[in-house]
Amino acid sequence: GAGVSQTPSNKVTEKGKYVELRCDPISGHTALYWYRQSLGQGPEFLIYFQGTGAADDSGLPNDRFFAVRPEGSVSTLKIQRTERGDSAVYLCASSLSWGGDTDTQYFGPGTRLTVL
Amino acid sequence: LAKTTQPISMDSYEGQEVNITCSHNNIATNDYITWYQQFPSQGPRFIIQGYKTKVTNEVASLFIPADRKSSTLSLPRVSLSDTAVYYCLVGVQGGKLIFGQGTELSVKP
Repeated sequence: GAGVSQTPSNKVTEKGKYVELRCDPISGHTALYWYRQSLGQGPEFLIYFQGTGAADDSGLPNDRFFAVRPEGSVSTLKIQRTERGDSAVYLCASSLSWGGDTDTQYFGPGTRLTVL
Repeated sequence: LAKTTQPISMDSYEGQEVNITCSHNNIATNDYITWYQQFPSQGPRFIIQGYKTKVTNEVASLFIPADRKSSTLSLPRVSLSDTAVYYCLVGVQGGKLIFGQGTELSVKP
């Protein structure tokens, strides 16, 4: 079946611009996660949704970052007033249920964001 | 959440068995040990998960000693396509996976 998909695969923007990154989770998965990965580092947690609500947004670096999941499926990560330090690969993952140890997270290919 | 320590990099040759050991001295009673694999320009991919003793699937084996303070991922007869970064994770904190730097495995012909 279809895996997690993310669009766009690459996004180049200028400092100060607004960007939206989209994630389509695996059908039927109730939990959705966003991570950010800088070059040479492991992925870093940003936010986690259970259904439509953000269960944990403690990883969002500041108030320029916001994510929504209005219908409990597709999610959009929104970044306002982008800065060069926001350049990274943004990864989305989904899992079947609540996100416990044995609930495998399946990752998408990521969106590479470059802020010039 | 338990901190993990694993080698930054490893080299191997095709056909060899590769063992990557991860230390997690303060693992909690309820924590599972999970390994992910990541190829360049792709998201991490789940390989294997275990709680104690030995787990084997079609891709790898995971060995966990009785004290659970470490674990070893074993890849039998690696090929060039096994070149990737391998992450050891312990426990899931409220849905979050906490990744370290991982082990960069390079398989040479």
